Amino acid sequence: DSGVTQTPKHLITATGQRVTLRCSPRSGDLSVYWYQQSLDQGLQFLIQYYNGEERAKGNILERFSAQQFPDLHSELNLSSLELGDSALYFCASSREAGNTEAFFGQGTRLTVV
Amino acid sequence: ELKVEQNPLFLSMQEGKNYTIYCNYSTTSDRLYWYRQDPGKSLESLFVLLSNGAVKQEGRLMASLDTKARLSTLHITAAVHDLSATYFCAVFPSGYALNFGKGTSLLVTP
Repeated sequence: DSGVTQTPKHLITATGQRVTLRCSPRSGDLSVYWYQQSLDQGLQFLIQYYNGEERAKGNILERFSAQQFPDLHSELNLSSLELGDSALYFCASSREAGNTEAFFGQGTRLTVV
Repeated sequence: ELKVEQNPLFLSMQEGKNYTIYCNYSTTSDRLYWYRQDPGKSLESLFVLLSNGAVKQEGRLMASLDTKARLSTLHITAAVHDLSATYFCAVFPSGYALNFGKGTSLLVTP
């Protein structure tokens, strides 16, 4: 158990809908990262927050957004869902903002039908 | 653009054999990370290599880092079925987040 908690584990939703994925980092970790894993794209970095502030942005679509709250948990919001958004979404956390070991949650498997 | 390339992407090997997975990266980085992922599961941290020449071993796996060549290797000794998984290497480019290779899917067969 990495100490990073993600909910829900599984999510099935229809195209056009909006979902929210939640992540609680390890105790003491200030940095949260979101990744998308699909068969054809591999592990794609989406966005990083550090102590409540956006730190780095990767290949995140405009339909997706995230935030980190004062208690350091983070949410990833996915809207106007398309079939191609079906993937495993991972959250990871680390002590510092970069170049430190990151620990991954169990992931949320999103299926868009 | 940062590239992290793993070779091979698929590897089927017999139990008891040795093999090496290679990870090349295109940016300057003084540390490199190896992760393991079982199908449908999370990524588990295996090794953190912190400097040039670093070598770490855990059981039948040994990882090394050559920052000058921008190359890391993951060596498997006397493979067993339990090592079947996907192995990822990753680096932190400056001011960014962990950037992963495509992963090496390892299947160890009797």
